[in-house]
Amino acid sequence: DAKTTQPPSMDCAEGRAANLPCNHSTISGNEYVYWYRQIHSQGPQYIIHGLKNNETNEMASLIITEDRKSSTLILPHATLRDTAVYYCIVGIRGSTLGRLYFGRGTQLTVWP
Amino acid sequence: NAGVTQTPKFRILKIGQSMTLQCAQDMNHNYMYWYRQDPGMGLKLIYYSVGAGITDKGEVPNGYNVSRSTTEDFPLRLELAAPSQTSVYFCASSYVMITGQSGANVLTFGAGSRLTVL
Repeated sequence: DAKTTQPPSMDCAEGRAANLPCNHSTISGNEYVYWYRQIHSQGPQYIIHGLKNNETNEMASLIITEDRKSSTLILPHATLRDTAVYYCIVGIRGSTLGRLYFGRGTQLTVWP
Repeated sequence: NAGVTQTPKFRILKIGQSMTLQCAQDMNHNYMYWYRQDPGMGLKLIYYSVGAGITDKGEVPNGYNVSRSTTEDFPLRLELAAPSQTSVYFCASSYVMITGQSGANVLTFGAGSRLTVL
């Protein structure tokens, strides 16, 4: 399974866009990019996923580079409640869906 | 619809004791997982199951056992508790998202079980 690299921490002003980068240079063609976040000590929460096209939902946007070696999660208008650890992970599509490995993620701090 | 329910929320064990962490989901998800999270670290996969009667090891399976006799339940057993097993344990389940991109794996997590071994 491909590994990911994320900066350990970032900060962002409330109301501004938060752009969280992720490198996954060894990703294979059949692997999705997923983003989750963990607020304080709660269970992680799914945000968004993508394969090769950019994706948007009510929580965030996901931009994946054309070569698929990196991606950016965008929170368009960050709020204090978006302060959390954000995990970028890759997972194989298809029959071997069992394994999703989480790294240490990026601690995003949104300040007033 | 309760989602993923974990019990107990907190537990203190003595070295060498045994216990079972319970996990139940009511979403009819086929896939279930156990992760552990040590302070300041990411989540590490202990065991997972892709259906009733099918389990497989993750990254850190030593010291743990699982079973999956029903779709809903996926208990995690610690046979001989050790201080290294002090951690927060998260259970998760997932479904296959059928959209234009089939085969995606979206996990729903429980609230966690905090275990201390002294």
